[in-house]
Amino acid sequence: DQQVKQNSPSLSVQEGRISILNCDYTNSMFDYFLWYKKYPAEGPTFLISISSIKDKNEDGRFTVFLNKSAKHLSLHIVPSQPGDSAVYFCAASDSGGGADGLTFGKGTHLIIQP
Amino acid sequence: NAGVMQNPRHLVRRRGQEARLRCSPMKGHSHVYWYRQLPEEGLKFMVYLQKENIIDESGMPKERFSAEFPKEGPSILRIQQVVRGDSAAYFCASSPRRGRMETQYFGPGTRLLVL
Repeated sequence: DQQVKQNSPSLSVQEGRISILNCDYTNSMFDYFLWYKKYPAEGPTFLISISSIKDKNEDGRFTVFLNKSAKHLSLHIVPSQPGDSAVYFCAASDSGGGADGLTFGKGTHLIIQP
Repeated sequence: NAGVMQNPRHLVRRRGQEARLRCSPMKGHSHVYWYRQLPEEGLKFMVYLQKENIIDESGMPKERFSAEFPKEGPSILRIQQVVRGDSAAYFCASSPRRGRMETQYFGPGTRLLVL
């Protein structure tokens, strides 16, 4: 049972435009969400996180939006740059119980075209 | 400040052999997590350890897999009698404190291939 879903396996965006990556979750106990970026043959790199008490968190070119009622979050990258081409993973945790580890989606491969 | 270190980066084993994967957390971090990534899949949590203690092993397969984080030295993920289905990337992450809102920082992974 996939509790964190990233329904787009890949996304192609032109350099300079906005990239929007989406993530849905089914477990209503999740209250902390993270985005990681991963290059081939490397480990995931932390990008940005958001607690369920917020609906937006911004860090430079990266903004994460959380819609709790829809159980949906999105990562916006503006403007998109060639170095942003990577696989992006959405992850979630339940601070009140459940496993100590993060629950990951399957990832979205973002391709930035020149 | 060195990041999370994992070795080896690549490991080839024949069926029935043992695999030992090592992880040194970031300096100042005493909490270690192991994850496994199968091809075309996301990362799956396996186990969470503090020094000398297994805190949460809810994601560990019941047989052949074990983990430890001794007082001195790296954390070890051990897979006995490997099978082809164990072929995957194994990632270690660390955090400075316990807490499900603590950011976990990942190492580069060990890619295990079972022949």
